[in-house]
Amino acid sequence: EPEVTQTPSHQVTQMGQEVILRCVPISNHLYFYWYRQILGQKVEFLVSFYNNEISEKSEIFDDQFSVERPDGSNFTLKIRSTKLEDSAMYFCASRLAGGKNIQYFGAGTRLSVL
Amino acid sequence: AQSVTQPDIHITVSEGASLELRCNYSYGATPYLFWYVQSPGQGLQLLLKYFSGDTLVQGIKGFEAEFKRSQSSFNLRKPSVHWSDAAEYFCAVGYNQGGKLIFGQGTELSVKP
Repeated sequence: EPEVTQTPSHQVTQMGQEVILRCVPISNHLYFYWYRQILGQKVEFLVSFYNNEISEKSEIFDDQFSVERPDGSNFTLKIRSTKLEDSAMYFCASRLAGGKNIQYFGAGTRLSVL
Repeated sequence: AQSVTQPDIHITVSEGASLELRCNYSYGATPYLFWYVQSPGQGLQLLLKYFSGDTLVQGIKGFEAEFKRSQSSFNLRKPSVHWSDAAEYFCAVGYNQGGKLIFGQGTELSVKP
């Protein structure tokens, strides 16, 4: 069964450093998403991406965040200068165009900012 | 504002017992409703979904959920829990045209032998 793949599974970084979280969505999916879950809190929407542009973003997704689809298979989330409060589990999701908004999630990347 | 509430943070049931996990939503339009499950080290796996029609929906692993518009609820049920069902369960609401999902806090399920 096709699945969304995220790498790395765990990323440790120093405050102020840039990190790139990587995702390989399901191959025929056209909508891509990033969510995050701070420990003990809800899963929160960050951004959605379609047709090579951001279609929606949350208040969390400020200028420190960016997304990119650098090639036909990868979808990345970059945090330019990490803060302690960016420590969280980051989930990538993808879905088909049209249809019923059924999103398929990866296993997540745990980001630890020290 | 749209929101999803899962009132139970942690539930413990005995293996073989029945299970009901609660979910209430606040949403302006007819929602699309989802239950996801997350086992340790795994991603969010879709258990079941409701879009329209029959308000009782069946999912994978023997789970079902019932949509009750009058109560703004979408509770998840299973008649007989297995030890492998121990995991965290998330209720979510989405738009019918795509876009973000709004998640509840999650309910952690523990299963006693």
